[in-house]
Amino acid sequence: DGGITQSPKYLFRKEGQNVTLSCEQNLNHDAMYWYRQDPGQGLRLIYYSQIVNDFQKGDIAEGYSVSREKKESFPLTVTSAQKNPTAFYLCASSIGQGAHGYTFGSGTRLTVV
Amino acid sequence: GQQVMQIPQYQHVQEGEDFTTYCNSSTTLSNIQWYKQRPGGHPVFLIQLVKSGEVKKQKRLTFQFGEAKKNSSLHITATQTTDVGTYFCAGPLASGTYKYIFGTGTRLKVLA
Repeated sequence: DGGITQSPKYLFRKEGQNVTLSCEQNLNHDAMYWYRQDPGQGLRLIYYSQIVNDFQKGDIAEGYSVSREKKESFPLTVTSAQKNPTAFYLCASSIGQGAHGYTFGSGTRLTVV
Repeated sequence: GQQVMQIPQYQHVQEGEDFTTYCNSSTTLSNIQWYKQRPGGHPVFLIQLVKSGEVKKQKRLTFQFGEAKKNSSLHITATQTTDVGTYFCAGPLASGTYKYIFGTGTRLKVLA
């Protein structure tokens, strides 16, 4: 079955450590996205990538970094510079510009202690 | 900047009652999408509306796009416990863009 796989589902890290969240898709979608969701809140865009080796900052990119070396993969690194990293992170992909909707992964819940 | 607001933020209904959530954009949208997120889950794409005044139905769900393409609504008839979740609308930052701005969401609870 085609879809988006995010791993791990739950992640715990100590404050000050960098952590990388994995996102892999086998949908052959060109575009991929990272969103952050805080409890009871909407989705805020962190980074997005339209094609391999290209990505743009979203609304809350500070403290995060990404890479897009392969079409299937779009990992997100949460750096120690991110002041409030504890959140639910959602990866998504779309055909073209998203006119047919985004397909989301099941998310990674990151807790920094 | 562009904003997409939804009201209400929360809604509790008795099973069998109707439910409506409203989505309002500060700018004209080329299209609008709706997603549902079950508790503990991830958003799932429901539908996209493109034309001014467009109305689409999916079983008990009715989606409408305003004439000015700045607002939209989702109406659920005779809610069921399976309708529980948060409903989000999303609109493109600009026509042809890869960036969709998500609304604040409406959390629906259905009491059996």
